[in-house]
Amino acid sequence: DADVTQTPRNRITKTGKRIMLECSQTKGHDRMYWYRQDPGLGLQLIYYSFDVKDINKGEISDGYSVSRQAQAKFSLSLESAIPNQTALYFCALHYEQYFGPGTRLTVT
Amino acid sequence: GENVEQHPSTLSVQEGDSAVIKCTYSDSASNYFPWYKQELGKGPQLIIDIRSNVGEKKDQRIAVTLNKTAKHFSLHITETQPEDSAVYFCAASDTGTASKLTFGTGTRLQVTL
Repeated sequence: DADVTQTPRNRITKTGKRIMLECSQTKGHDRMYWYRQDPGLGLQLIYYSFDVKDINKGEISDGYSVSRQAQAKFSLSLESAIPNQTALYFCALHYEQYFGPGTRLTVT
Repeated sequence: GENVEQHPSTLSVQEGDSAVIKCTYSDSASNYFPWYKQELGKGPQLIIDIRSNVGEKKDQRIAVTLNKTAKHFSLHITETQPEDSAVYFCAASDTGTASKLTFGTGTRLQVTL
């Protein structure tokens, strides 16, 4: 959905590096989410935010942090990347009605 | 917490046939059940959803049924077409709490000519 933009779309990084994934939206929704997708495991919730001042941990938040810079922007950071964080990462909006195109992250 | 199981993990049907994907959930408080379609290289797309006060919902060739007593719900695709080939995910949530979805592990549907 072009209303949800994720950058970068692909990223290869090394163990121990800090990396930020960005999500921006033009739909004006308050609720934003970060999900991780691994083959055979479906999607798992990392963090979610119901408005700019509200940040909540999901089921797999360890090793991740987030920042809600504005209603339209929600960033996910890996403070010190490790290989088992290699996955597809998706940003979602508004009760998960809209998903971004995803970021494929590889940690070597 | 909620646990959602999805079956089968892969499904191959011939064009024009029907496809059925089934999910079970564990939390009786869950009351919202969406289905997503994910095409290769894209994010999940919401295709249909159902709430617990409804037993069935249809949208053209797609239908979803819900059995609250048995805690299972199913996606039915009729007259399948090659463009229906994708991975389908079910999910469940209790909208009375934090509205967090729990996803199934996905079904890869292949529609063959």
